[in-house]
Amino acid sequence: GNSVTQMEGPVTLSEEAFLTINCTYTATGYPSLFWYVQYPGEGLQLLLKATKADDKGSNKGFEATYRKETTSFHLEKGSVQVSDSAVYFCALSGATNKLIFGTGTLLAVQP
Amino acid sequence: GAGVSQSPRYKVAKRGQDVALRCDPISGHVSLFWYQQALGQGPEFLTYFQNEAQLDKSGLPSDRFFAERPEGSVSTLKIQRTQQEDSAVYLCASSLDRQGETQYFGPGTRLLVL
Repeated sequence: GNSVTQMEGPVTLSEEAFLTINCTYTATGYPSLFWYVQYPGEGLQLLLKATKADDKGSNKGFEATYRKETTSFHLEKGSVQVSDSAVYFCALSGATNKLIFGTGTLLAVQP
Repeated sequence: GAGVSQSPRYKVAKRGQDVALRCDPISGHVSLFWYQQALGQGPEFLTYFQNEAQLDKSGLPSDRFFAERPEGSVSTLKIQRTQQEDSAVYLCASSLDRQGETQYFGPGTRLLVL
């Protein structure tokens, strides 16, 4: 069945460091791929998405490219800020539209 | 406009008690989803409605869990005879009914069963 695997956390970085959070998926067909973010004390928010191979999603300085050949959707940001500290979830949406999430990666950015 | 709202935000129940959790989706959104998020885990799918039709309930963990959306807008997730393992955050999300369409999440209901 469909599944998502993302790197374990926590990831601890200094402000302005480069961020990569790895995400790979297993799916039949051509799923849409998402990154959701959960800030402390808040609900899940969509960060970015890509609906087909080679699409790049981007928002707030974050980027992820849908790579069908490596079944990956890694999240990157060139320079993180303290305000980026949150839990990041990779997810896919298949034919039934339900989302299948990874286990989440806690990012802690230190000043 | 208004986002997805859920009530109550917190619920403490004694083991064996029945609970009802409410979700108000974004107006005009055809699809509605319920997810369960255990502590430190990603959300897991419970059930999916398209308008009033429950098209997928494959994620409901037992027959103690029941969901409805009788008029195609507000939805209620009911858990009968709650158990400690039901303690989790229950998330509701809604979306326009298109492939790959973004799901918008509510703040969740945190259920604690004692």
